[in-house]
Order: sequence, then C-alpha cells, then structure tokens
Amino acid sequence: AQTVTQSQPEMSVQEAETVTLSCTYDTSESDYYLFWYKQPPSRQMILVIRQEAYKQQNATENRFSVNFQKAAKSFSLKISDSQLGDAAMYFCAYRSPYGGSQGNLIFGKGTKLSVKP
Amino acid sequence: GAGVSQSPRYKVTKRGQDVALRCDPISGHVSLYWYRQALGQGPEFLTYFNYEAQQDKSGLPNDRFSAERPEGSISTLTIQRTEQRDSAMYRCASSLAQGGGYTFGSGTRLTVV
Repeated sequence: AQTVTQSQPEMSVQEAETVTLSCTYDTSESDYYLFWYKQPPSRQMILVIRQEAYKQQNATENRFSVNFQKAAKSFSLKISDSQLGDAAMYFCAYRSPYGGSQGNLIFGKGTKLSVKP
Repeated sequence: GAGVSQSPRYKVTKRGQDVALRCDPISGHVSLYWYRQALGQGPEFLTYFNYEAQQDKSGLPNDRFSAERPEGSISTLTIQRTEQRDSAMYRCASSLAQGGGYTFGSGTRLTVV
C-alpha cells in the first residue's frame, strides 16, 4: 500500500522569504500523480500544484514549485516570496494513475505553515 | 452547480443519534469520493462511487457508516448511532471521469456530544 509522509508538523517563514515543505512517499508503482493541497483556516481544500510521475520536469504554478525526485520518492514544495495569505495547512497527496477507487487520494498528515509579517 | 456543495456545513448531534450528510457534486461528474478528516490529520478515504454504483467501501470504519448515490448525482453519507469518535470533518470530492482531477467540497464538520 502507498504511504505519504510529511515529517514537518509545523514550519514558519518570514514574509517575502522562501520556504520548502517536505514530502516523501512509498509506492511500487512506476506511474502516479502527486499533489500539494492547501487548507486555509476556512478549511477548504485547494489544489496548489500537481505533478505527473512520468514527467521529469518539475511543476510550477506562479510562486509555487516542486522538487520531484522520483528515485528518492521525494516531492517537496517550494513557496517563493511568501505572503500572509499562504499561511495554512499543506497536505501532500498521492494518487495511482488508475481510475475508480484506486484513484483515491492518499494524504500525508500535513504541515502547518505560519507566515510572519 | 459551480462547485461541490455539502450540507449541512456544521452538525452537532447527541451521541446515539443518526446523521445524514449530503454531497451535491459538480453536474456531470461521474466519480464521487467521501473522505473523513480528523483534527490535525489528513483526509482519509471512506468510499467511492462511479455513477450510482458504490464500487469501494473499504474505508468505512464499521457498519454504522453507509453511503448511497441512488441517481448518480447527489450522495448521502449516513452514520447511525453516532459516537464521539465519529466527530470529524467529512469531505466529498467529485471528478469528471475516473482518474480525473478532483474538486473538493467545503466539508461538513460533525460534532458528537
């Protein structure tokens, strides 16, 4: 079974600085999807970025980018120019490439990010 | 609708009561998932529907939990004889196709007192 581990329960960053959130996962599959979700205090679940394992290029969405190391099974999220609105829980998630119930998301326990003004 | 809608947003119930949580997915979305998120944890899979068929219920913790999606659209998650340990955020997510991108609802926060 696949597992997702986020080893940093809490992180803090100064506004305008850069922070990296760690995520490792375990799988025997060669193809899969990885995601970072943001959960602000409103407790919505917002997709931040998505990476397909067969793509070597790291995904980027504006100030958010990932460092995907497939061999190491590592998928870290880098937030550049941190803003107060980035403060939230961040969840790393894994999904098999198959549909159906195998396509359900497997989440890590989350990292709480604080942004200091 | 424009997004995944869940109701009620908050539910406080007494131990032993039954509760029904509703999910209205995005129109046309085939796949529907239910997740449970305890405080300080990531969401955990409960059950999955493809159209009206419940294809996986392996994540339901016990037989007090059940779900249905009779017409392949709105889904209801029912918890019978609620217990305090059932207190959590219950989330629904839908996708256009199997394996497609997910849209999450805002969740129902259930508190059992």
